[in-house]
Amino acid sequence: GIQVEQSPPDLILQEGANSTLRCNFSDSVNNLQWFHQNPWGQLINLFYIPSGTKQNGRLSATTVATERYSLLYISSSQTTDSGVYFCAVERRSGGGADGLTFGKGTHLIIQP
Amino acid sequence: KAGVTQTPRYLIKTRGQQVTLSCSPISGHRSVSWYQQTPGQGLQFLFEYFSETQRNKGNFPGRFSGRQFSNSRSEMNVSTLELGDSALYLCASSPRTLTYEQYFGPGTRLTVT
Repeated sequence: GIQVEQSPPDLILQEGANSTLRCNFSDSVNNLQWFHQNPWGQLINLFYIPSGTKQNGRLSATTVATERYSLLYISSSQTTDSGVYFCAVERRSGGGADGLTFGKGTHLIIQP
Repeated sequence: KAGVTQTPRYLIKTRGQQVTLSCSPISGHRSVSWYQQTPGQGLQFLFEYFSETQRNKGNFPGRFSGRQFSNSRSEMNVSTLELGDSALYLCASSPRTLTYEQYFGPGTRLTVT
C-alpha cells in the first residue's frame, strides 16, 4: 500500500515562532488532508488539498502532487496550536479506494 | 449543520465480550468510514460504507464488522474482544465516496480488560 512519512516527528517551539511540517507519500493520490488532533482525540479538518495551495488564517498548505509531498505552514504559533498534526492520503486503485492512509504525525508543542 | 456524532464516547468491556459502536454522519452525507487508532499502530482504516453497502475494507480480522442503515447511520461491531482491541475508534463521513473530504467524529474510546 501507499506509504506516508511525516517530519519532523516532534517539534518544540516558542510562542510566536513559525513552523513547517512535511508529508511525503509514495504514490499518486486522489485525496490529501491535514488534520489537527485535539487532546480529546477528535481530528479537526485543517485542509483538503490533493494539489495546489490554500490558506486559512495563520495556517497554509501546499501540495506538489507531481513530487509527492505536502507542506503545512503555521505562522505566529500560539499555545493552542499544540497537539498532533496528521497528514492522510487516499489513492484510488482499480478495485476502488483504499481508505485514508495516515502518517505517524508530528507532535507540536508551543511553549509560552 | 451538526457534525458527526458517535456513541458511546467511552466504553469498558471484558475480553471475550462483543461491542457495538454507533456513528451518525453529517446530514446529507452518504459515506461512513471507520478507523482504529492505537499507540502502536497509529490510525488504520477499517471499512467504508456507502448507500448501505460495504465498499472498501482494511486489513482487519473478521471479528470486525459493520453495517449502514438507510438513513446513513452506521454501526461497527467487534466480537470476541481481545486486549489489543483497546483503542480509539473514529468514524468519518463524506458526501460521497472516500475521494472526497472526510469529516471525523469525536471517537469512542474502548478499553478491554
